[in-house]
Amino acid sequence: ETGVTQSPTHLIKTRGQQVTLRCSSQSGHNTVSWYQQALGQGPQFIFQYYREEENGRGNFPPRFSGLQFPNYSSELNVNALELDDSALYLCASSLGGGYEETQYFGPGTRLLVL
Amino acid sequence: GENVEQHPSTLSVQEGDSAVIKCTYSDSASNYFPWYKQELGKRPQLIIDIRSNVGEKKDQRIAVTLNKTAKHFSLHITETQPEDSAVYFCAASRGNNDMRFGAGTRLTVKP
Repeated sequence: ETGVTQSPTHLIKTRGQQVTLRCSSQSGHNTVSWYQQALGQGPQFIFQYYREEENGRGNFPPRFSGLQFPNYSSELNVNALELDDSALYLCASSLGGGYEETQYFGPGTRLLVL
Repeated sequence: GENVEQHPSTLSVQEGDSAVIKCTYSDSASNYFPWYKQELGKRPQLIIDIRSNVGEKKDQRIAVTLNKTAKHFSLHITETQPEDSAVYFCAASRGNNDMRFGAGTRLTVKP
C-alpha cells in the first residue's frame, strides 16, 4: 500500500451543497493530483498542485477548486454539487519538478449526491 | 488534449494463458505511459510504466511495449493467475501533468 491517505472514505450530500475532500501525500512527495472516477470508467484528471501552486487543470468547471498546504497535503472543494458529481474521488501524490512522474494513489473518497 | 483509447473492455482467459491489453494515444508529445491495476473497491496500483525513450520493459510476468511511431502501447501478462483478475487502466501524459486514462479492461482469469 502507498502512504497516501484520504478522508473521509464515504460522503453523502444533497444537490447544491458544498463538499471538501482531503488528501495527505506520501512522505517526500510535493505534488498532488486529483481525479474523478465515475462508476465503470477510468479516472479523469481534475487538477494538480505542485508546491502549493496549481500546475495544470483538466476539463472541470470552476466550482471544482483546490488547495495545497505547506506540508503538501491537499484539499478538493466542490461547490453547488450536482447529481453527476457522484463518483470516487482519488488523489495521487508524486515527486514532481523533474523526471519522476510516478503517481501513487490514495484509497479514494466515495461521494454520493442525492 | 490527450485522448487514450483502450481495448478490449473485457477479457477472459484461462489460468496459465497470456493476456494482452492495447492502448492508443493521440498526443505525440506524451512521454510517460503507466499501467494501473484496480481491484474492486480498492485504489489503482501501479504495476509497470514505460517512458518514451524505451521500447519495451519487463517485470517478471508483466511486460509493456511502446510503439511511438504508431502511438500505441500494450500490456502483456504471461502465465496468468486468478489473482490477476482486476480492472487494468493504461494512461499517457506529458510529464506527470494532466495524465489521461483509458476506460479500463476488466480481466477475468478462470481457474
